[in-house]
Amino acid sequence: GESVGLHLPTLSVQEGDNSIINCAYSNSASDYFIWYKQESGKGPQFIIDIRSNMDKRQGQRVTVLLNKTVKHLSLQIAATQPGDSAVYFCAEIQNNAGNMLTFGGGTRLMVKP
Amino acid sequence: NAGVTQTPKFRVLKTGQSMTLLCAQDMNHEYMYWYRQDPGMGLRLIHYSVGEGTTAKGEVPDGYNVSRLKKQNFLLGLESAAPSQTSVYFCASRRRGLGGTEAFFGQGTRLTVV
Repeated sequence: GESVGLHLPTLSVQEGDNSIINCAYSNSASDYFIWYKQESGKGPQFIIDIRSNMDKRQGQRVTVLLNKTVKHLSLQIAATQPGDSAVYFCAEIQNNAGNMLTFGGGTRLMVKP
Repeated sequence: NAGVTQTPKFRVLKTGQSMTLLCAQDMNHEYMYWYRQDPGMGLRLIHYSVGEGTTAKGEVPDGYNVSRLKKQNFLLGLESAAPSQTSVYFCASRRRGLGGTEAFFGQGTRLTVV
């Protein structure tokens, strides 16, 4: 089995419910914040991004919220489906630091049918 | 489009051996990255490159070297492998400019050092 996510915090939700995944970041100079989804045995996949001068952005079934005051990022998934089960990572891009793309801690989302 | 391709997919090395991991992308992306992912951890940036002929250190560069002689290829070298380098290695690329926040990842290379 896939060893990624064994020790990561886990969020367990019922199918059809909404999910909220949180991330705390430390670098106030980041220009973009991004959410990635990683399924077992695969590389991370881009979900949605938000520029640092925004506080909310919506996509298809997903919403990202950015609270710069408390350095907090969240991903909301509406009507969670079994296919949403994965590990979710937040990431940052710092344009003034050579365009580094760095990742924060992840959360394992488990969807119960 | 193949996207990002990593070679090899699996490898077992003995302590002290050297090897090179190859990452190839066919999307003409400027930026390329190498990460390692240990069990229960997130992705940690080893080295990255913002263009052909340029490389920079990431968060955990010790024990690794990289080269970007061609825009489409980014090589990660382990000069003298150690058991602490047992991990899954991911390569990623993204383009410069508008819409360039989306990074595309390879399938990973699972490396075991015994």
